[in-house]
Amino acid sequence: QVQLVQSGADVKQPGASVKVSCKASGYTFTSYDIHWVRQATGQGLEWLGWMNPYSDDSGYAQTLQGRLTFSRNTSTNTAYLELNRLTSDDTAVYYCARFDVTHSGRGLDPWGQGTLVIVSS
Amino acid sequence: EIVLTQSPGTLSLSPGERATLFCRASQSVSSSRLAWYQQKPGQAPRLLFYGASRRATGIPDRFRVIGSGTDFSLTINRLEPEDLAVYYCQHFGDSPYSFGQGTKLEIK
Repeated sequence: QVQLVQSGADVKQPGASVKVSCKASGYTFTSYDIHWVRQATGQGLEWLGWMNPYSDDSGYAQTLQGRLTFSRNTSTNTAYLELNRLTSDDTAVYYCARFDVTHSGRGLDPWGQGTLVIVSS
Repeated sequence: EIVLTQSPGTLSLSPGERATLFCRASQSVSSSRLAWYQQKPGQAPRLLFYGASRRATGIPDRFRVIGSGTDFSLTINRLEPEDLAVYYCQHFGDSPYSFGQGTKLEIK
């Protein structure tokens, strides 16, 4: 079945960088964009951006542009999110999700299980 | 930038009742570019609807959506205890593809 499996939780100090992985299986990795979303504890969903695994093209939410980079490894069907210059405001669960486009609509399906990133000194 | 506003913030209903959740966009969104998600406690979000009409795999027909332009709604008929969740709408109009702030559905 189509599945996205993310890397485990991580704790980082302020100012450091974090890299979250998202391994895809059950479909052709390069045929679907991957989107990234984060959720601070008790808060709503924040869309971070998207990446096309075929072309390596990406789009980023303005709020994190400059600190956020998406990448991929097509040999291992893995997408990556890297966030630099971390602050406590970046503490959140980070999700990857496949962007599915059908003749009747669009949506993110499925989602990875989420990766908790804690930024703390 | 398109802003989605969901209402109510919290809805508390009993099993068997009907829930209606609203999502209003700050500018017109094609109905095919408005998705709905369910997030149960401690879980990742799950897609309910692609666009304004197509149910995702495994979503029962108790869940229905309607809407166009700037006003959309999700209706859940015959509520069950398992429907306890936060429900989000998201648009895929012009980037950024933001989410609404969510509606928390409580089951009494």
